[in-house]
Amino acid sequence: SQTIHQWPATLVQPVGSPLSLECTVEGTSNPNLYWYRQAAGRGLQLLFYSVGIGQISSEVPQNLSASRPQDRQFILSSKKLLLSDSGFYLCAWSTSGGRGETQYFGPGTRLLVL
Amino acid sequence: AQSVTQLDSHVSVSEGTPVLLRCNYSSSYSPSLFWYVQHPNKGLQLLLKYTSAATLVKGINGFEAEFKKSETSFHLTKPSAHMSDAAEYFCVVSGNSGYALNFGKGTSLLVTP
Repeated sequence: SQTIHQWPATLVQPVGSPLSLECTVEGTSNPNLYWYRQAAGRGLQLLFYSVGIGQISSEVPQNLSASRPQDRQFILSSKKLLLSDSGFYLCAWSTSGGRGETQYFGPGTRLLVL
Repeated sequence: AQSVTQLDSHVSVSEGTPVLLRCNYSSSYSPSLFWYVQHPNKGLQLLLKYTSAATLVKGINGFEAEFKKSETSFHLTKPSAHMSDAAEYFCVVSGNSGYALNFGKGTSLLVTP
């Protein structure tokens, strides 16, 4: 069966510091991978998605970037965190199909920028 | 553009009574629709998915949803609430692009003893 991992689970960082969040998927090959942010009271916002190694699409211009160095690894990064980057970050995967594929979510990373 | 509107931000029910969480959608084509549940500080878990095979979709934990095209609705129901059902519920529609999912703002379900 497929499993998705995220770490760290919780992170407290000062403004201006760098960020690296990692997501890995087990039990599947060539998944589509996604990064979402969930801010309080604002639902989920898709940040990035990837359909293959090195292929990243950005949905929202922002202070963050994503990379996919391996087939089942997805990394979310920032060079300098802003207060507005605080939130709950969720990674998800789906099979490499078309519109409407089910996305399966990881446990999330709670980020607090102070 | 595809979107969903969850009509209630909070719903409170007593344990053992029925649950109804309402969702209306807007889509320019035949959509895929989902309900996800999120317990506090946890990731999202898929409850059920509609893909046009059947209008009444059965999901996990006794939940089901009915797709009504004439009403553009996809309401989530459960005959008898359990304390463990207390969580945030999201109605979701597949987006314009091949990959985006459009989430509603969520409905917080409170179950009282």
